Amino acid sequence: QVQLQESGPGLVKPSQTLSLTCTVSGGSISSGSYYWSWIRQPAGKGLEWIGRIYTSGSTNYNPSLKSRVTISVDTSKNQFSLKLSSVTAADTAVYYCARTSGYEDYWGQGTLVTVSS
Amino acid sequence: DIQMTQSPSSLSASVGDRVTITCQASQDISNYLNWYQQKPGKAPKLLIYDASNLETGVPSRFSGSGSGTDFTFTISSLQPEDIATYYCQQYDNLPLVFGGGTKVEIK
Repeated sequence: QVQLQESGPGLVKPSQTLSLTCTVSGGSISSGSYYWSWIRQPAGKGLEWIGRIYTSGSTNYNPSLKSRVTISVDTSKNQFSLKLSSVTAADTAVYYCARTSGYEDYWGQGTLVTVSS
Repeated sequence: DIQMTQSPSSLSASVGDRVTITCQASQDISNYLNWYQQKPGKAPKLLIYDASNLETGVPSRFSGSGSGTDFTFTISSLQPEDIATYYCQQYDNLPLVFGGGTKVEIK
């Protein structure tokens, strides 16, 4: 059973870079034809797709965030990561990582990141 | 970007009722449409993929239909544990886009 777990600071100051890691267990991040995705959800609002990375390292980003987002993968640690630069209060949200194969079939539990000074 | 219009935004129904949620895409997305259930404080859970395929382990009272631009999600007999917010999602084109969500409550 594949499991995903997000980790990283819960509080980030405005203008700084948000950094999160998703650790995958129960299977190799390199096996199968999967994308590994980041999705976020501001409190009381809907889901926003941030971007994804393929096991080859190729990436796709939401154009609304593209200039600030970097997703990378570390196959040796079975992890993938999200960096979001120049954050503002509007980036405060629960951030989820997920495995994607057309649909997101496995999700992390989510981690709340608050942007505040 | 493809826009996904989901309706209603909320509904209240009795246990045993048939519940229907619709999702309309701003352009043809074939059957590249998924449905998720999200309970408070939890991650979304995949229920239906490719418009009409039931994810393994999901109760058969959940179903989906449609293709092109118009899609329907149905709970045939609402149960107390179905209280949640439901989202559609298109994956025909990037960026992937979710509908605005439908909050389902018990009357």
